[in-house]
Amino acid sequence: AQTVTQSQPEMSVQEAETVTLSCTYDTSESDYYLFWYKQPPSRQMILVIRQEAYKQQNATENRFSVNFQKAAKSFSLKISDSQLGDAAMYFCAYRTGTASKLTFGTGTRLQVTL
Amino acid sequence: GAVVSQHPSRVICKSGTSVKIECRSLDFQATTMFWYRQFPKQSLMLMATSNEGSKATYEQGVEKDKFLINHASLTLSTLTVTSAHPEDSSFYICSARVFGPASEKLFFGSGTQLSVL
Repeated sequence: AQTVTQSQPEMSVQEAETVTLSCTYDTSESDYYLFWYKQPPSRQMILVIRQEAYKQQNATENRFSVNFQKAAKSFSLKISDSQLGDAAMYFCAYRTGTASKLTFGTGTRLQVTL
Repeated sequence: GAVVSQHPSRVICKSGTSVKIECRSLDFQATTMFWYRQFPKQSLMLMATSNEGSKATYEQGVEKDKFLINHASLTLSTLTVTSAHPEDSSFYICSARVFGPASEKLFFGSGTQLSVL
C-alpha cells in the first residue's frame, strides 16, 4: 500500500522568508503523481503544485517549488517570500498513474509571523 | 478553474437521524466523484469513489449501508449518513475529477461539517 509521511506537524516562518515542508512517500509504482494541497481556515482544499514522477524537472508555481528526489522518494515544498496568506495546513498527496484517488499525508500546519 | 458546490456547509442533527450531503459540479460533467472524511486535526481519508450510473466503490472499513452514495447524474453525487451517531461527526469533503487536454485534475467542494448530538 502506498503511504505518505509528513514528519513536521507544525512549522513557522517569518514573513518574506523561505520555508521548506517535508514529505516522503512509499510506493512500488513507477507511474505516479505527487501533489501539495493547501487547506486554509475555510477548509477549502486548494491545489498548490503537482509533479509527474516521470518528469525530472522540479515543478514550480510562482513562489512555490518542489524538490522531487525520486530515488529517495522525497517530495518537499519550498515556499519563498512567505506571505501571511500562506498560513494554512499543507497536505502532501499521492496517486498512481491509473487511479484518481488521492492518498494524503497527515499535514503540516504552517504559521507565518510578522 | 472548475467549480464544485457542496451543500450544506454545516449541519447539526440528532442521533439516529439521516443527513444528506450534496456535491455538484457546476460547469462540467463529472463521471467520477470522491468522498473524503476529515476528523479534527487529521488528514483526509478517502471513503468511497462515486461513479455515475453505477455503484460506489467503498474503501476498506467504510460501511456502505451507513454511508449511502448516489451518483445519478453527471453533475450530482450525494452522500447520505444514515442513522447518524456522534462518532460520525466529522468534516466531509467531495471532489470531482476533470479530464483536461493534458492532464487530469481534481476539484474539491468546500466541505460539510456534520455534528451529531
